[in-house]
Amino acid sequence: QSALTQPASVSGSPGQSITISCTGTSSDVGGYNYVSWYQQHPGKAPKVMIYDVSNRPSGVSNRFSGSKSGNTASLTISGLQAEDEADYYCSSHTSSSTRVFGGGTKLTVL
Amino acid sequence: EVQLLDSGGGLVQPGGSLRLSCAASGFTFSSYAMSWVRQAPGKGLEWVSTISSSGGGTYYADSVKGRFTISRDNSKNTLYLQMNSLRAEDTALYYCAKIRGSGSLGDFDYWGQGTLVTVSS
Repeated sequence: QSALTQPASVSGSPGQSITISCTGTSSDVGGYNYVSWYQQHPGKAPKVMIYDVSNRPSGVSNRFSGSKSGNTASLTISGLQAEDEADYYCSSHTSSSTRVFGGGTKLTVL
Repeated sequence: EVQLLDSGGGLVQPGGSLRLSCAASGFTFSSYAMSWVRQAPGKGLEWVSTISSSGGGTYYADSVKGRFTISRDNSKNTLYLQMNSLRAEDTALYYCAKIRGSGSLGDFDYWGQGTLVTVSS
């Protein structure tokens, strides 16, 4: 149950777009369309931003989008805003019927 | 409104036991799989366990298998995590989370506020 691989940090200026990658294996990310992304502000519970690779829950801004190619999933945030500054985690179902999270990415809005 | 209220955390000595609870409301609890996810201080999220809607299927992370037991009481709309043989590395904020959809594969669409477990002598 190795963690999915995410960059430790990314940054961008307001209005720009950024992409966070999430790399796994054919036993998790590459094998299932059950990849989700979570936003976590300090001291708060995580909030789902994208589910099933590219679906956006009701109430989540359309500035957030998700995709997948092979064993790597991606979260793109367009039109960066100060409120987007947070930690982001990807997660996937696995072939062992377990779940695995990425190590997390700290997004800084410059 | 969906609400998940985690409770039961506290300070426990290494080797000790603790039972966490998660009281659910605002949805048909018996229709959804549920999970526990933890976060050590300053660290990332770690999936701990999932239980199917009926309770007939349970799944565990290798790090807790054989020590933790997930269960649910659908008549009380409550999820549990029995934690035995606790270790220092189990120190974390424990969240209960509801799984979207009819099976156990979906994302975690609602989260509790977390309950802190500290394992220390």
